Amino acid sequence: DIVMTQTPLSSPVTPGQPASISCRSSQSLVDSGGNTYLSWLQQRPGQPPRLLISKISDRFSGVPDRFSGSGAGTDFTLKISRVEAEDVGVYYCMQAQLPYTFGQGTKLEIK
Amino acid sequence: QVQLQQWGAGPLKPSETLSLTCAVYGGSFSGYYWSWIRQPPGKGLEWIGEITPSGNINYNPSLKSRVTISGDTSKNQFSLDMMSVTAADTAVYYCARGNGWFGAFDYWGQGTLVTVSS
Repeated sequence: DIVMTQTPLSSPVTPGQPASISCRSSQSLVDSGGNTYLSWLQQRPGQPPRLLISKISDRFSGVPDRFSGSGAGTDFTLKISRVEAEDVGVYYCMQAQLPYTFGQGTKLEIK
Repeated sequence: QVQLQQWGAGPLKPSETLSLTCAVYGGSFSGYYWSWIRQPPGKGLEWIGEITPSGNINYNPSLKSRVTISGDTSKNQFSLDMMSVTAADTAVYYCARGNGWFGAFDYWGQGTLVTVSS
């Protein structure tokens, strides 16, 4: 199985400041078709996860443009340009080669 | 708007069988991957298995021996059965739609807490 490792596990951020979460996979996520299916999900307290970004950097419908994704191969990053109070929650990266696996989660907290 | 509504019996005693069903509203059932994912209290996400657009079933090898996933296209529903549950299977269970274009889960059910206790 591909192991997804996120850092940091906790990130206290001041509103209006940027935040960055890293995700590293134990092997390349580039598939035989040249696609990289790395996505980011947000889970607010008491809610199911919500898709933010797919294929490294494509924002899902309705996701604010302060969220952006980047990376390639085995190293990926989710950035929030200016954190807002509603961004509090746990963020997960996920890879889509069978069996699908998730990072352990990064808890974003407001200072 | 796609909505996934899930339900199932609980709580359970050790050795019993967990059964959950997820119904899909507002969107096509065909052409997508339909998955079950679980989250133990205070922990991360674990993928359990899926039905593919062609009707094939893929399972997480770590759970394969105890899990059965099935689908009913006439009802736009799919189900999860997990036998011989233990306390370690206590979790919130989610159904989710896998979108092959995105390679991601784009819609999720609300989650069902399943508690296993003697």
